[in-house]
Parts: sequence; C-alpha cells; structure tokens
Amino acid sequence: QKEVEQNSGPLSVPEGAIASLNCTYSDRVSQSFFWYRQYSGKSPELIMSIYSNGDKEDGRFTAQLNKASQYVSLLIRDSQPSDSATYLCALSDMEYGNKLVFGAGTILRVKS
Amino acid sequence: DTEVTQTPKHLVMGMTNKKSLKCEQHMGHRAMYWYKQKAKKPPELMFVYSYEKLSINESVPSRFSPECPNSSLLNLHLHALQPEDSALYLCASSPGSRGTDTQYFGPGTRLTVL
Repeated sequence: QKEVEQNSGPLSVPEGAIASLNCTYSDRVSQSFFWYRQYSGKSPELIMSIYSNGDKEDGRFTAQLNKASQYVSLLIRDSQPSDSATYLCALSDMEYGNKLVFGAGTILRVKS
Repeated sequence: DTEVTQTPKHLVMGMTNKKSLKCEQHMGHRAMYWYKQKAKKPPELMFVYSYEKLSINESVPSRFSPECPNSSLLNLHLHALQPEDSALYLCASSPGSRGTDTQYFGPGTRLTVL
C-alpha cells in the first residue's frame, strides 16, 4: 500500500515570503509526483508534475524531488493571499491504473 | 485545453432515488477516473477506465456503478445511496501514458443524500 505523508498545518507565512511545503512517500519505486492546489469547496488544480530528481521551476513555484530520500517539496516564492489554499501532494500508482495516492494536504495561509 | 466538465454541479437525492453523474472531456485522453472526496480529506479513487478497461476500488459499494459509453464520456450511476455517501465527486482524465501520466480534474459534483 503506497502512502504519502504531509504535515496538515496550517502553515502561516507573511505576504511576500517563501512558503515551503513538504511530503514523503513510502514506496521507493514510485516515479511520478504531483502538486495540486485546492481552494475550499473547489476541485484540485494541478500546479506541477515532477518525475526526475532535482528541481523544476514554473513561475513562482519550484518543485523538488529527492528519490533517495523519498521526499518531494514545493516552494512558493513571493507568496500572495490568493495562494491560501490546501496543497495536495500525490504520487501515481502505476500498479493500479495510474491512480493518484494523495497525502492529507497542507493548509497554507498567507497573511497580508 | 485541459477542460473536464461535470454535470450537475449540485445534486440532492433521497435514499430511494436513482441518479447519474456525468463527466466529459475532449482532450483525446484515454483514461478517466472517478474520485470521492469527503470534507477535510483527500480524494480517494473509486474507478478507473483506461483504454476501455475498468479497474475498481474493491471497497466501493455496489450502489455506485460506472459506465463509459465512449472514450470522452464517463458516467456514475447512483442507486439506493446512504447519507454517508454525501461528498464531492470528482472526475479526472489523463492521456493514459504509463509512467508520466498527468490527471486533470473537473469541477466536481457536490452530492447530498437525505
């Protein structure tokens, strides 16, 4: 059973700061990882996918993957109040039709 | 375009009703999914249709039944539901490529069972 662990938060950061979100996963063979943002009452929105060790940047977002440590992170630079949401870390389980296995989600609050 | 559409947005039904949720995508994706999300919990997979093959989460009760009329449409038929089935039902689709598949979610259907 593949598992993803996230600190549920809330993580509070001031506007303009860097928010750092982290997750770990249990299955060493997992290959594909995703970060989704979910506003209250809305559906998950894809922010980033990452498949290779190292960093991947997209605008204010940087995803980091370390397969040796089984660790995935998301950095949000210049955090804005509109970034306040729940951030879901997920991996794709290829043994089960590529189903997404989600962590519990981290609540991020950006204070202006 | 990464749009997945779902209808209806909201649904209220009694325990004896039969209803259906609909999901559609026009991205040429070959895999479609139904997830269930309870409040303050992450989504959990219910069903996967990938290349016209159905995979089922065996913990899903038989009062939920999926149907895939074609590669763009995915329905979820509901019958004799219980109040604990009230949740946000999410449809997602993905290209279906092994290993680097990315799922895109629709807006969801908020279901309330009375």
